[in-house]
Amino acid sequence: AQTVTQSQPEMSVQEAETVTLSCTYDTSESDYYLFWYKQPPSRQMILVIRQEAYKQQNATENRFSVNFQKAAKSFSLKISDSQLGDAAMYFCAYRSGETSGSRLTFGEGTQLTVNP
Amino acid sequence: AAGVIQSPRHLIKEKRETATLKCYPIPRHDTVYWYQQGPGQDPQFLISFYEKMQSDKGSIPDRFSAQQFSDYHSELNMSSLELGDSALYFCASSSSTREQYFGPGTRLTVL
Repeated sequence: AQTVTQSQPEMSVQEAETVTLSCTYDTSESDYYLFWYKQPPSRQMILVIRQEAYKQQNATENRFSVNFQKAAKSFSLKISDSQLGDAAMYFCAYRSGETSGSRLTFGEGTQLTVNP
Repeated sequence: AAGVIQSPRHLIKEKRETATLKCYPIPRHDTVYWYQQGPGQDPQFLISFYEKMQSDKGSIPDRFSAQQFSDYHSELNMSSLELGDSALYFCASSSSTREQYFGPGTRLTVL
């Protein structure tokens, strides 16, 4: 079974600064996807960014980028120019790419605080 | 853009009662997923359906059942409710193997 680990229960960053959230995973599959989801106090789960395992290039979405190290099974999220609205719980998630309907397996989450 | 719709948004039930949660996926999405999130926890996968057939099954209690209908909406039926079933229940949808988009969730409280 796949596992996802987020070793930082809490992180804080100053507004306009950069912060990196860590995530490691364990799998024996070669075809998979990795995601970062954001859950603000509203509890809505919002997709932040997605990475296909077969792609060597790191995904980027505006101020959000990832550092995907496939051999090390590491998938960190970098948030640049942090904004107050970035404050939320961030979940790293894994999904097998082999079949439709495959589940997301989440890490424990990292609570990000943005200080003004 | 259309999002995943879940109803009801809040539900209060007594122990041993039955609850039905509904999910309407994003148009043209053929896959629906159900997750349960307890307080302070990450979402736990319950079950998924692809083209109206069960696709994957997680730690879903036998008291729970779900199905996907011909119009692709899905229902999660929960019977003999227990206090421990109190949680936020998410439905998500995707187009085949693409990324999953989550609905706003149904907050179930069992008294």
